[in-house]
Amino acid sequence: KNEVEQSPQNLTAQEGEFITINCSYSVGISALHWLQQHPGGGIVSLFMLSSGKKKHGRLIATINIQEKHSSLHITASHPRDSAVYICAVETSGSRLTFGEGTQLTVNP
Amino acid sequence: DAGVIQSPRHEVTEMGQEVTLRCKPISGHDYLFWYRQTMMRGLELLIYFNNNVPIDDSGMPEDRFSAKMPNASFSTLKIQPSEPRDSAVYFCASMTANTGELFFGEGSRLTVL
Repeated sequence: KNEVEQSPQNLTAQEGEFITINCSYSVGISALHWLQQHPGGGIVSLFMLSSGKKKHGRLIATINIQEKHSSLHITASHPRDSAVYICAVETSGSRLTFGEGTQLTVNP
Repeated sequence: DAGVIQSPRHEVTEMGQEVTLRCKPISGHDYLFWYRQTMMRGLELLIYFNNNVPIDDSGMPEDRFSAKMPNASFSTLKIQPSEPRDSAVYFCASMTANTGELFFGEGSRLTVL
């Protein structure tokens, strides 16, 4: 069993839909990161959180430390949101362990 | 700031050759990370530095891999000799402990024939 598991692996949505991507982890963490990888390959950090909830534009990330679970929500999805979304947990020191990613496709 | 700068962006080499990947972190960032991404294994941490000192190199696959950070503005990842299974995209990222936000370079795509 991987230390970090994401679901779903693939997600197809219609423009405007509300999207949720889930991340569960099995180890103690100091923080959790959500990353976005575009089709061109570049990786962008979306959120780093250790408790509660963060919001940036149409993106919302939540974390429940007790349940070892985080969600990434996208409101009013748009085709430009199509990307791979990666959950990563920060364990000892600044070491990151990555999930396998969720491929999101938003159709117009 | 131009962000994290990696070079080369693409490299194709033959098995047995030495490969050197380069990274310039964002000025003022005190952490530097080298990651590798493959289809089979996804993203993996290879090594990271704090204030130019290697902290965790447990992800370095074997002795063929080495990384250095001679100063705060430059790091190298060297593979010698290279093997086809080293083919991957190698990402460098930097961070400051103040924010914890990671900034990634564009990656170096390595193909070893």
